[in-house]
Amino acid sequence: TQLLEQSPQFLSIQEGENLTVYCNSSSVFSSLQWYRQEPGEGPVLLVTVVTGGEVKKLKRLTFQFGDARKDSSLHITAAQPGDTGLYLCAGETQGGSEKLVFGKGTKLTVNP
Amino acid sequence: DTGVSQNPRHKITKRGQNVTFRCDPISEHNRLYWYRQTLGQGPEFLTYFQNEAQLEKSRLLSDRFSAERPKGSFSTLEIQRTEQGDSAMYLCASSFRAYGYTFGSGTRLTVV
Repeated sequence: TQLLEQSPQFLSIQEGENLTVYCNSSSVFSSLQWYRQEPGEGPVLLVTVVTGGEVKKLKRLTFQFGDARKDSSLHITAAQPGDTGLYLCAGETQGGSEKLVFGKGTKLTVNP
Repeated sequence: DTGVSQNPRHKITKRGQNVTFRCDPISEHNRLYWYRQTLGQGPEFLTYFQNEAQLEKSRLLSDRFSAERPKGSFSTLEIQRTEQGDSAMYLCASSFRAYGYTFGSGTRLTVV
């Protein structure tokens, strides 16, 4: 069973602070995706990383894929209340399967 | 293009009843996925279609669950003889490539 461990599980910070959330596995993934989910809604894709060592930036969000394609991180600079949500990482398994394996998520609360 | 549409948004049913959910994917997407999400967990893969062919099914998909995608357009997910453990958010997603899903808002099922 391929598992993705996300940490921390919960994070509550003040507006303007920086934060990093982590997504780790013992398995290698073909690609890794990050989603944000709000209560009662489906996840919304933020980014897909494919190449080991890849770094992608989306405004104040920076995503990194580990060199060995087993782990990833999401760094948010100067967090805002609008960043509040559940951040999920999901890995595409190798071997031809198109299913995604999701972590349990990091629930982020940014207080004004 | 209105994104991925799921109906109904909420369904409350009595244990033992059958329920059917519908998903309308983005029209040019040939891949369609069903996931299930329970409280505090990330989405879990149920099944995947490419056009009208069901190419992969999870062991989570017991004999009581069936999914169809006639003509490669919309999809239905039916649960027969519902049990309380079936209570969850059922998410549909579609994509054009093997990664980068667009999720719908989900159907929240409560079995009483």
